[in-house]
Amino acid sequence: TQLLEQSPQFLSIQEGENLTVYCNSSSVFSSLQWYRQEPGEGPVLLVTVVTGGEVKKLKRLTFQFGDARKDSSLHITAAQPGDTGLYLCAGRTGGGNKLTFGTGTQLKVEL
Amino acid sequence: EAQVTQNPRYLITVTGKKLTVTCSQNMNHEYMSWYRQDPGLGLRQIYYSMNVEVTDKGDVPEGYKVSRKEKRNFPLILESPSPNQTSLYFCASSSPGPVRETQYFGPGTRLLVL
Repeated sequence: TQLLEQSPQFLSIQEGENLTVYCNSSSVFSSLQWYRQEPGEGPVLLVTVVTGGEVKKLKRLTFQFGDARKDSSLHITAAQPGDTGLYLCAGRTGGGNKLTFGTGTQLKVEL
Repeated sequence: EAQVTQNPRYLITVTGKKLTVTCSQNMNHEYMSWYRQDPGLGLRQIYYSMNVEVTDKGDVPEGYKVSRKEKRNFPLILESPSPNQTSLYFCASSSPGPVRETQYFGPGTRLLVL
């Protein structure tokens, strides 16, 4: 089973600060996804990255896939309380539907 | 509205009492799966199904059973629940396709086994 380690596990910051969440593995993934999960709900897809070195932006969120497709990062600029939630990375190997999820990063953004 | 539904949302039971958590999707998706979520461990796949009557084990299948008799439904069965199965369970569905396909998750079922 491939392991996806996320860091940090917990992050508490003030509104307006920037932050980066990391997702690392020793395995190579054909694609990597980032999800956000809010309390009482299931994870919701934010983005999918496929190509090594790929960078995608979603408003204040920037996602990057490592050149070797073993790692990824999520950078949030000027965090807002609405960004609070559990962020999960998930990797897929080959062409199958199986996703391996990371350990999660719990983000809290305070006023 | 496209969605995945799970029932019940909350369940308290006792060790050894068989239970079933239902999952249904209205998006005509071929692929469905069950995950459990535990603090610090992320989501771990229990079982998945590629289509009707096709199921396979995920990473943590011990103590669970599934069936896929209809395309829309994928129930999770705990024949003899134990306290270590206390967890938050999610059902998900998706269609096969290119790597950018999306998994849609249900709202979760929180299970406590006493």
